Amino acid sequence: QVQLQESGPGLLKPSETLSLTCTVSGGSISGFHWSWVRQSPGKGLEWIGYVSDSGNTDYKSSLRSRVTISVDTSKKQISLKLTSVTGADTAVYYCGRHLGTVWIATTKVPGALDYWGQGTLVTVSS
Amino acid sequence: EIVLTQSPGTLSLSPGERATLSCRASQSVSPTYLAWYQQKPGQAPRLLIYGASSRATDIPDRFSGSGSGTDFTLTINRLEPEDFAVYYCQQYGSSPRTFGQGTKVEIK
Repeated sequence: QVQLQESGPGLLKPSETLSLTCTVSGGSISGFHWSWVRQSPGKGLEWIGYVSDSGNTDYKSSLRSRVTISVDTSKKQISLKLTSVTGADTAVYYCGRHLGTVWIATTKVPGALDYWGQGTLVTVSS
Repeated sequence: EIVLTQSPGTLSLSPGERATLSCRASQSVSPTYLAWYQQKPGQAPRLLIYGASSRATDIPDRFSGSGSGTDFTLTINRLEPEDFAVYYCQQYGSSPRTFGQGTKVEIK
């Protein structure tokens, strides 16, 4: 059974860099795309971006200038870095695995998210 | 960006009843790359439906999805106690991938 576990600091000050790691167990990291999704307290879900096993990425445009998602296949880890955080970045951060890929025109993109980590709360406060 | 609007915001039903949840997109989701997730308090979302109508692994057949274009529906037949939760739709046919704001199914 595939399991994803997020880890990283739970408390940051404004302007710092959020760094989270998602460790995959019980399955391969290769052959899949991986996403980060966040959920502000009491709010809905927001997709941040994804990375393929070969390092191809796509990010939400409003976060693109601050976000980097990377993959380390040898460690079976996916990383998220978000710079210059503010209180608006306070959220539970989830990593997720995509259910295969789908075609959009002539491009293959990841499908829905079939496995999720339990999430980790990151609070930004001075 | 495709905006997904879910309705109603809250659905109050009794166990055994049918739940019908709507997800309307601001522009066509084409192909039908629309998913539904269930989320319970303190838990991560769980994939229920992908491709608008395909059930994910181990999802009971009382959950069904339908729709195309801009209008999608999640139907839960014969609500079980464990089905009371928040449900989100998500489109993954265009970037950025977007989620609806959620529909809470609560016990009446």
